[in-house]
Amino acid sequence: GNSVTQMEGPVTLSEEAFLTINCTYTATGYPSLFWYVQYPGEGLQLLLKATKADDKGSNKGFEATYRKETTSFHLEKGSVQVSDSAVYFCALSTSNTGNQFYFGTGTSLTVIP
Amino acid sequence: KAGVTQTPRYLIKTRGQQVTLSCSPISGHRSVSWYQQTPGQGLQFLFEYFSETQRNKGNFPGRFSGRQFSNSRSEMNVSTLELGDSALYLCASSLSTVNTEAFFGQGTRLTVV
Repeated sequence: GNSVTQMEGPVTLSEEAFLTINCTYTATGYPSLFWYVQYPGEGLQLLLKATKADDKGSNKGFEATYRKETTSFHLEKGSVQVSDSAVYFCALSTSNTGNQFYFGTGTSLTVIP
Repeated sequence: KAGVTQTPRYLIKTRGQQVTLSCSPISGHRSVSWYQQTPGQGLQFLFEYFSETQRNKGNFPGRFSGRQFSNSRSEMNVSTLELGDSALYLCASSLSTVNTEAFFGQGTRLTVV
C-alpha cells in the first residue's frame, strides 16, 4: 500500500540553524512527492514538490530531493527563521489513486530567536 | 486568483445532529477532495469528486457523504454526529486528476458537543 513515515517532533531550533526533517515512503506505482506546511489556524500550503526520481523541489530556501533508491524525500533548509515555525507534512500521491494524498503525521517546528 | 474557500470556518453542533460543509475550489479546478484532520489520526482522506462524480472514497462510515455541483463547488454532509467527528475538515482543489498539487482551503473547524 501507500504510506509516509515522517520524523517525529516536535523540533526546536535556534534562528539560523540547519533544518532536516526526514521523510520516507512506500508506494504502489510511481509516486509524486510533496511537502506541505501548516501555520496555526490555517489550512495546508504547498511548499515544494518532485514528480520523478532525482528531482529536487525547492522554495523559500527549503529543498528536498526525490531519492528512489532510499525511498526518501527529506526536507532541508540551511538557515531557519522564526517565521518558519509551523507544522510540516510530507505527502505522496500516485497515478493509480488520483488526487488522494497520503500524509505523514506532521512535524512541528519551533524556531526561537 | 482566489483560493479555495470553505464555509463556515467554525461550527458547533450537538451530538445526533447533521451538518453540511461547503467548498468552492479555485476557478478552473474540477477536482475537489476532502480530508479530516484530528490530533490523534492526522490527515485522513474522505473522498474525491471530479466532474460531479465521486472518484475515490476513504475508509469512513456512510454517515459521511458528499457531492459536487456542475460549477465544481462541493459539499460534504455528516449525519448523526458523534463526539469523535470533532475535527478540522479540509477541502482541496486540483486542476486535473493525476499527480497534481492540491490547493487547500483554511478548513472548517467542527466541534460536536
